[in-house]
Amino acid sequence: AAGVIQSPRHLIKEKRETATLKCYPIPRHDTVYWYQQGPGQDPQFLISFYEKMQSDKGSIPDRFSAQQFSDYHSELNMSSLELGDSALYFCASSRYWAGTDTQYFGPGTRLTVL
Amino acid sequence: DAKTTQPTSMDCAEGRAANLPCNHSTISGNEYVYWYRQIHSQGPQYIIHGLKNNETNEMASLIITEDRKSSTLILPHATLRDTAVYYCIVRGQLTFGSGTQLTVLP
Repeated sequence: AAGVIQSPRHLIKEKRETATLKCYPIPRHDTVYWYQQGPGQDPQFLISFYEKMQSDKGSIPDRFSAQQFSDYHSELNMSSLELGDSALYFCASSRYWAGTDTQYFGPGTRLTVL
Repeated sequence: DAKTTQPTSMDCAEGRAANLPCNHSTISGNEYVYWYRQIHSQGPQYIIHGLKNNETNEMASLIITEDRKSSTLILPHATLRDTAVYYCIVRGQLTFGSGTQLTVLP
């Protein structure tokens, strides 16, 4: 079965640079979620989109922005990168059905900021 | 949003049942309980979900108390590959919170 695809899998950037992470949801899923997981921490919710509109917002820094495109893929744009942005970034997708919306996660993008 | 609480860590002998509890005393009547697990640095993996009836799939069983204020995830025959952090989440609670580190011992 098709899974969530994230690219790139690994990314190395310098401080103050920008980065763009991409997420391709499972076909026919209408919601995309972004999470950040720092070393030794639990995943922290950043932002989500339902049918290309922002649906929920978590602890996403103002330096970050995201959007969901007409083909339902999503991109997380990160500017003025800081050392503390080094983390695993997970994307998940879901499809609402009968009161449930099970999230299926991608393998993550490991961002290292030097 | 409903909040969940779980023990920080648990050990289980290989081949034995692992019973992982979760408290969700503020859950609303129509909110599902979801369980995920994360094996080191991999993407969280969906395990099972339920509303009020007990559920079973090929991975685990989920027992939800009648008042729905707590639940237990059961891995019937734990293997070393089940060592992971297990998260209990109520639908709408987008933040994972602190899960339970399950260590399966040989």
